[in-house]
Amino acid sequence: EAGVVQSPRYKIIEKKQPVAFWCNPISGHNTLYWYLQNLGQGPELLIRYENEEAVDDSQLPKDRFSAERLKGVDSTLKIQPAELGDSAVYLCASSSPQGMGPLTFGSGTRLTVV
Amino acid sequence: GNSVTQMEGPVTLSEEAFLTINCTYTATGYPSLFWYVQYPGEGLQLLLKATKADDKGSNKGFEATYRKETTSFHLEKGSVQVSDSAVYFCALSPVSSSNTGKLIFGQGTTLQVKP
Repeated sequence: EAGVVQSPRYKIIEKKQPVAFWCNPISGHNTLYWYLQNLGQGPELLIRYENEEAVDDSQLPKDRFSAERLKGVDSTLKIQPAELGDSAVYLCASSSPQGMGPLTFGSGTRLTVV
Repeated sequence: GNSVTQMEGPVTLSEEAFLTINCTYTATGYPSLFWYVQYPGEGLQLLLKATKADDKGSNKGFEATYRKETTSFHLEKGSVQVSDSAVYFCALSPVSSSNTGKLIFGQGTTLQVKP
């Protein structure tokens, strides 16, 4: 069984440019999460989806961050415009319905803003 | 609010040494507790979990016991191997979020095991 797939693995962009990250969860996992992991820190939840609905986006900085999960399967997280402080690892995770199963994480996308 | 505090790293041990990584938490009620491990270049993997007081989670020789009285969930292993070198994260799922999978993580502890 394929795990949670994220792309790209690494991204370097200049500040003020847009960037997008993609995530394909485990087949059948209705719940999808985006976490932000700053260097030397634990992951922090940005947004959680149940199917195509964002049910918890309270930690998402909505002035520059957006996310979508149009068909309730794969998801895209976007930053526009990126700032230097956005340099971090962006992790996607998924779990079985209503988050009852354990979270399975992808390998993450490491973003560097220069 | 809910929070998790882990011991500072890095922790450097020789192979076959005993490992303890301390984790304490702040939460209301009885959260679920987890240890995740992140090997170099890989995503976080669930190592073990405990969902109620006095439960012991175990996997791959690692153990942790849910201690409500000390609000702790310390990770232990009797004999570490070089392959255990990784970053270990303690996490909790708040009672209010027990059916959401939402996790609150500690800052992580890096373990280096030398041959």
